[in-house]
Amino acid sequence: EAGVVQSPRYKIIEKKQPVAFWCNPISGHNTLYWYRQNLGQGPELLIRYENEEAVDDSQLPKDRFSAERLKGVDSTLKIQPAELGDSAVYLCASSQPGQGYNSPLHFGNGTRLTVT
Amino acid sequence: GENVEQHPSTLSVQEGDSAVIKCTYSDSASNYFPWYKQELGKRPQLIIDIRSNVGEKKDQRIAVTLNKTAKHFSLHITETQPEDSAVYFCADHTSGTYKYIFGTGTRLKVLA
Repeated sequence: EAGVVQSPRYKIIEKKQPVAFWCNPISGHNTLYWYRQNLGQGPELLIRYENEEAVDDSQLPKDRFSAERLKGVDSTLKIQPAELGDSAVYLCASSQPGQGYNSPLHFGNGTRLTVT
Repeated sequence: GENVEQHPSTLSVQEGDSAVIKCTYSDSASNYFPWYKQELGKRPQLIIDIRSNVGEKKDQRIAVTLNKTAKHFSLHITETQPEDSAVYFCADHTSGTYKYIFGTGTRLKVLA
């Protein structure tokens, strides 16, 4: 199966500029996650979608971050304006919950953001 | 789960030796525990997982054990090879919340 596809792979921007990341999950996966991974750390959840509904965005800094998944498939994550501390790898993941048990996360390659 | 502690943060072993990484979780409702391997600049990839109704699971050179009473689970890699060098992350998950909590990672270096 095709994996989770993210673009771009790398992005360098100056602070205060906007930036957007795109994710295409595995076909049929209803659940989509955006994670942020700082250097040397584990992934931290930003937002989770079930189809087109954002069901957990408690960790999303809503003053500058936004996300959408309009048709319940592709998703975009936006930062406006970017700050130096936003430099990280932004990972998208998807899963297909099974009946009665959990389904593992499948990650994309991530977008490495550098804010200068 | 709300918190996952992972130890050690770095681990160096000689090729052929075993490596053990341990994670401790706090949420007694956690019921699924995956392990991910992340090579430099690449995506985290699932290598093995265990559900709470099982105490141990093996897949060739890797195994995971779960102690629900003590709330900890461990990754065991036997006969380590240089290609096992990577960062390993544990995670816990509670069914119904779809929320994964990741550990801080263990950088494993296998010395040839």
